[in-house]
Amino acid sequence: QVQLVQSGAEVKKPGASVKVSCKASGYTFTSYGISWVRQAPGQGLEWMGWISAYNGNTNYAQKLQGRVTMTTDTSTSTAYMELRSLRSDDTAVYYCARVWALNWFDPWGQGTLVTVSS
Amino acid sequence: EIVMTQSPATLSVSPGERATLSCRASQSVSSNLAWYQQKPGQAPRLLIYGASTRATGIPARFSGSGSGTEFTLTISSLQSEDFAVYYCQQYNNWPPGWTFGQGTKVEIK
Repeated sequence: QVQLVQSGAEVKKPGASVKVSCKASGYTFTSYGISWVRQAPGQGLEWMGWISAYNGNTNYAQKLQGRVTMTTDTSTSTAYMELRSLRSDDTAVYYCARVWALNWFDPWGQGTLVTVSS
Repeated sequence: EIVMTQSPATLSVSPGERATLSCRASQSVSSNLAWYQQKPGQAPRLLIYGASTRATGIPARFSGSGSGTEFTLTISSLQSEDFAVYYCQQYNNWPPGWTFGQGTKVEIK
C-alpha cells in the first residue's frame, strides 16, 4: 500500500537547522509531488511548500522563503525538508504528503515533532 | 493569497445526528477544494476532493457540495469515530500555493 514514513522527533536550539525525511513506498515516486505541511501545538495546518519528485522543481510558501529547502533522492524514494535559523515558533509537527497533480494531499506521513527550545 | 474561512469553530452534535460544516473562500476556487479529517495525535486524512468526490474508502455518510466560494461538508449520521477536526483546503491558486481553513472541531454533545 502507499505509505510515507517520516524520521523521528527532533529537539533543536534556536538558530539551528533541522532536516526531516519522508520515505515513500508503494507507488512510483517520480510520478507525484510531495508537499510539506506543519501544525503548531493546538493550531491548524500550514502549507510550507512543494517539490516535484520528477524534476525537483519547488514552490515555497512566501513566509518561509529563504529558510526552507526541499529536496528529493529518487534512488531511495525519499523527500527531505530542511528548515534553518529555527525559532521557538517553528515548534510544530511537520507532515509530508503526496500531492495528486498539484491538487489534493493523499496520503500523509505520520508526522515528525520538531521542538525548538534553548 | 486565498483565505479560507471555516464555520463554526466548534460544532456540538449528538451521535446519529447530522452535522453541517461550512468553508468559504475569499475568491472563487471553482471546485478545487478538498476536505480532511484529523483525529487527535493522527495525521490528516483525505475525505473529499473536487468539492464533492469521496476519496477511496470514505463512507457514504460523508458528502461535499458547493463551488466558487461557498462549500459544505455534511456528515449525515454522526458515528463515534467521526468526532474530529475537519479542514478544508483550496488548490485552485497555483502558484503561489495552497491554503487551509482554520478547522472545525466536531465534538460530542
